[in-house]
Amino acid sequence: DAKTTQPTSMDCAEGRAANLPCNHSTISGNEYVYWYRQIHSQGPQYIIHGLKNNETNEMASLIITEDRKSSTLILPHATLRDTAVYYCIVRVAGGGGADGLTFGKGTHLIIQP
Amino acid sequence: NAGVMQNPRHLVRRRGQEARLRCSPMKGHSHVYWYRQLPEEGLKFMVYLQKENIIDESGMPKERFSAEFPKEGPSILRIQQVVRGDSAAYFCASSPRGLDGEQYFGPGTRLTVT
Repeated sequence: DAKTTQPTSMDCAEGRAANLPCNHSTISGNEYVYWYRQIHSQGPQYIIHGLKNNETNEMASLIITEDRKSSTLILPHATLRDTAVYYCIVRVAGGGGADGLTFGKGTHLIIQP
Repeated sequence: NAGVMQNPRHLVRRRGQEARLRCSPMKGHSHVYWYRQLPEEGLKFMVYLQKENIIDESGMPKERFSAEFPKEGPSILRIQQVVRGDSAAYFCASSPRGLDGEQYFGPGTRLTVT
């Protein structure tokens, strides 16, 4: 799986959009970008994933650059409950990998009241 | 639709005892993954199972650890002769498809070895 680079921490004001960047310059053509988050002491939570088109669901939007070397997770209206560590993971979907998810250090997003 | 269930949520064992952690995947999911999170560290993949088969155990310690996912019942992660270094949060995840990046995690079992 390709390596990802994320900022260690970020702050965002409550009610504003939180934009979390991720660099994955060595991504392969068949690798997807996945985002998870882990709220303190809870199990990780799947957020969204995409290949090359932008994706949106009820939780977030995922913007992937045209060259696919970076992406941004957008939480449109951050709340205090969005404070968590956010992980960007790059991997082949459905059958290409031989192991589980590889979690790096992620970005600790702190939503300020 | 119930999510992934793990029990117990907290488990205390003395050194040398056995620990059994159980995981029931989401309904319709036949693929289970186990991860370990040591204090102040990231999650590490341990093992991937389908019903009655271990598919990938590349992250499992070579000794004392074993996992199973029987035809009936939950998946079990078993740690024999626990040591203090086994103290960690153990998370189980399930997916409807194998080797999938879209996994759904349980609340975890926090193992404390005294």
